[in-house]
Amino acid sequence: KAGVTQTPRYLIKTRGQQVTLSCSPISGHRSVSWYQQTPGQGLQFLFEYFSETQRNKGNFPGRFSGRQFSNSRSEMNVSTLELGDSALYLCASSSENTDTQYFGPGTRLTVL
Amino acid sequence: DQQVKQNSPSLSVQEGRISILNCDYTNSMFDYFLWYKKYPAEGPTFLISISSIKDKNEDGRFTVFLNKSAKHLSLHIVPSQPGDSAVYFCAASDSNYQLIWGAGTKLIIKP
Repeated sequence: KAGVTQTPRYLIKTRGQQVTLSCSPISGHRSVSWYQQTPGQGLQFLFEYFSETQRNKGNFPGRFSGRQFSNSRSEMNVSTLELGDSALYLCASSSENTDTQYFGPGTRLTVL
Repeated sequence: DQQVKQNSPSLSVQEGRISILNCDYTNSMFDYFLWYKKYPAEGPTFLISISSIKDKNEDGRFTVFLNKSAKHLSLHIVPSQPGDSAVYFCAASDSNYQLIWGAGTKLIIKP
């Protein structure tokens, strides 16, 4: 099976812009979670989607949003970018009713 | 409030010796615990897990120990190899399957 893929791998934006990141889960996986990793921090949970519905949400401002499509692909959007949004954004997929998640390579976002 | 804590940001171990990575949690509702390993510029890779009904799980060189009364788990790597140098994340989940992550411990294996 192909693994989790994320596009783009690298992105440079300026403050105030908005960005959309994409994630394709492992075939058959219906759950997709998004995480933010910054230097010195652990993985901060953003949100989880299951069957096109947001099932869980972390403590991030409303500028961070997401959605999931019928084929389980997911997108994450960040509006009005701030310098502090510079981070590695990771997507993970899992099959139903399991805790084990499989991560993509991440999208490195740099906000200038 | 961090529910999952990895208090050591880094750990240096001689090749061939045992590496012990520690993780503490505060939420007694957590019932499943996982360890992930992460190399730079890559996503985390699942390593080993343990259910709260067990106190030990072993997979090759990797063993995870769970002490529920102390709300503590540890990952033992024996013997440590150079390829084990990475950041190790501890994660815990409750019945909602949402993972709560620790901040990670950078393991450096010295030759």
